[in-house]
Formats: sequence, structure tokens, C-alpha cells
Amino acid sequence: GAGVSQSPSNKVTEKGKDVELRCDPISGHTALYWYRQSLGQGLEFLIYFQGNSAPDKSGLPSDRFSAERTGGSVSTLTIQRTQQEDSAVYLCASSSGQGAMGNEQFFGPGTRLTVL
Amino acid sequence: AQSVSQHNHHVILSEAASLELGCNYSYGGTVNLFWYVQYPGQHLQLLLKYFSGDPLVKGIKGFEAEFIKSKFSFNLRKPSVQWSDTAEYFCAVILYNQGGKLIFGQGTELSVKP
Repeated sequence: GAGVSQSPSNKVTEKGKDVELRCDPISGHTALYWYRQSLGQGLEFLIYFQGNSAPDKSGLPSDRFSAERTGGSVSTLTIQRTQQEDSAVYLCASSSGQGAMGNEQFFGPGTRLTVL
Repeated sequence: AQSVSQHNHHVILSEAASLELGCNYSYGGTVNLFWYVQYPGQHLQLLLKYFSGDPLVKGIKGFEAEFIKSKFSFNLRKPSVQWSDTAEYFCAVILYNQGGKLIFGQGTELSVKP
């Protein structure tokens, strides 16, 4: 597709359940990012994948959060044993990762996660 | 720790008023700077960006921003706002030595009264 896509667009879950959020980056983009947008916290970086390099996980808030990127394309963000404070919009972005202009990130529409 | 500060949390203007949204960052190295906009119900879109060269950059919809290195600032301006500019605006910085992760300001909500 032409842009970054994410699924589902909305997810409501019960506290303690696991959830998986999916991101399809722009075709050919080597860099993929996950961010979280929540009230009071603004936009926070979670994790960053660049090509075959080890991901930068420095933004993950706890070990309940993990992400993988298969085949250098699609990425899945998994939250285990969800808590109410995990409620937020999870945003995925991708960039070409090539040269200075490769730093421009294109965002998907996000997944709104609500933990009851 | 590196951070980005947006001075205005909520700005309310009438149509045709001029706009300036402040953004300051705390990092002495090489940076790329961005303004993103999020219209109600829509996803983040790039408004404008600064990589190098002319510190006055022009973006879409008549927006511009000026990079002042000595002040660590990248303020967003528009001479005459429209009701359709109602949105949330985010300033963001990429630090060259920390990969491509964006550090965002807290955002400024702009409400334009018709």
C-alpha cells in the first residue's frame, strides 16, 4: 500500500489478557518504529527496528511489552497481561533509513487500545 | 536527558490571526527537527522539516518554521490561520547519535474560532 497500515484500529480487552498489534510499513522502508500516545504522557518512543540490526528497545515501559519484525517488513507489538495504564493509541511509523532524508518518519493511523 | 518543550499547551485564536508556537530542545549535537500535525480523528502528518541549510523552512498549508541554533529553538509560524488549522501540533527532534527515534514535545492544541 501507499502508507503505513495498522490493525486493528480499535481493541478493547480485559485486564490481564494479552494483545497483539500489527504494523505494515511502507514497502521498501528499512526502519520501523513503535510509539505510544496517551493522555498526560504525550508521544513516547517504544522500540525501533533498522534492517537486520538488533532493535533499540530502550523505550519499552516493562517486560510485558515486546515486539518483533519478521522478514524485515511486518511488525507485531505484543503486550502481555495488560493493565489499565496500557490504554493508549499505539502508533507505528516507518522511514527509508537511508541517508539524512531517511530520518523522515511516516505514521500509520494507530491502534486505540482500551483495557477494561 | 534530551527533551523537547512546547511552551503552549492550548492556544485559541480567531481566524486571520497570526500564529507562533514555541519549541525548544535540549541537545547540543546535530539534530533534525520536525513539526507534525494531527487533525481531529486523523493520524500524524508531517507539516515541515529541517535537515540542514536555510534555517527558515516552509511547509504545507502556509506554515513555516525557523531553526535558531543558538536558542535551541524551532518555532512554528503562520501569518493568518484558518478554522481548518484546528488541530494538535507536535514538535519533534531526531538525535543523530541515537538512531532514528523521534523525541516529541507534549503537543499544542490549536483551536481556531470561525
